[in-house]
Amino acid sequence: SQKIEQNSEALNIQEGKTATLTCNYTNYSPAYLQWYRQDPGRGPVFLLLIRENEKEKRKERLKVTFDTTLKQSLFHITASQPADSATYLCALEPEYGNKLVFGAGTILRVKS
Amino acid sequence: EPEVTQTPSHQVTQMGQEVILRCVPISNHLYFYWYRQILGQKVEFLVSFYNNEISEKSEIFDDQFSVERPDGSNFTLKIRSTKLEDSAMYFCASSSQGRQETQYFGPGTRLLVL
Repeated sequence: SQKIEQNSEALNIQEGKTATLTCNYTNYSPAYLQWYRQDPGRGPVFLLLIRENEKEKRKERLKVTFDTTLKQSLFHITASQPADSATYLCALEPEYGNKLVFGAGTILRVKS
Repeated sequence: EPEVTQTPSHQVTQMGQEVILRCVPISNHLYFYWYRQILGQKVEFLVSFYNNEISEKSEIFDDQFSVERPDGSNFTLKIRSTKLEDSAMYFCASSSQGRQETQYFGPGTRLLVL
């Protein structure tokens, strides 16, 4: 069956450290992956999109990698801040159609 | 920066009643979507809409649901006879193209069915 999985447990890190979040998928061949941030009671906010021919993409303190062999994307936040505390969602678009399929999200807590 | 807006932010209704959730997508976008998120669960796709017709829908999007673009700016989701299990956050999204493009989400409408 098709699955998209993210770290089920919350990630607790100290301010200033790098947070690394994982997204694994099974039985999909996505052309790209997207990462979103979601705060409680709010809609997903787009962060980064990485295509299958891009190994890495950066935006300020954010970095995403995409390994189509491992079927995995890693999302990094460097120099993390308490304001980075949120749920981070990965999403992919299946081969057909234009819907997004979301993972369950990973809760990140950055402590000062 | 352009954004997707949704109204109302909260809606409480009685089981069996009809509700209409409204969205204003980003103005130059052509593809529109509805997703929902039941409390504590994943964001789930409901329906996509392009050129005044549904382009894709999920199994959740049964006959009690309908979508419409009544004018050049609004995009609505109607739930005809609400059930308790329809209680969720409903998100509207839009994108400039149909595939391999970022979907931008609105802030959501929290629907509570009593």
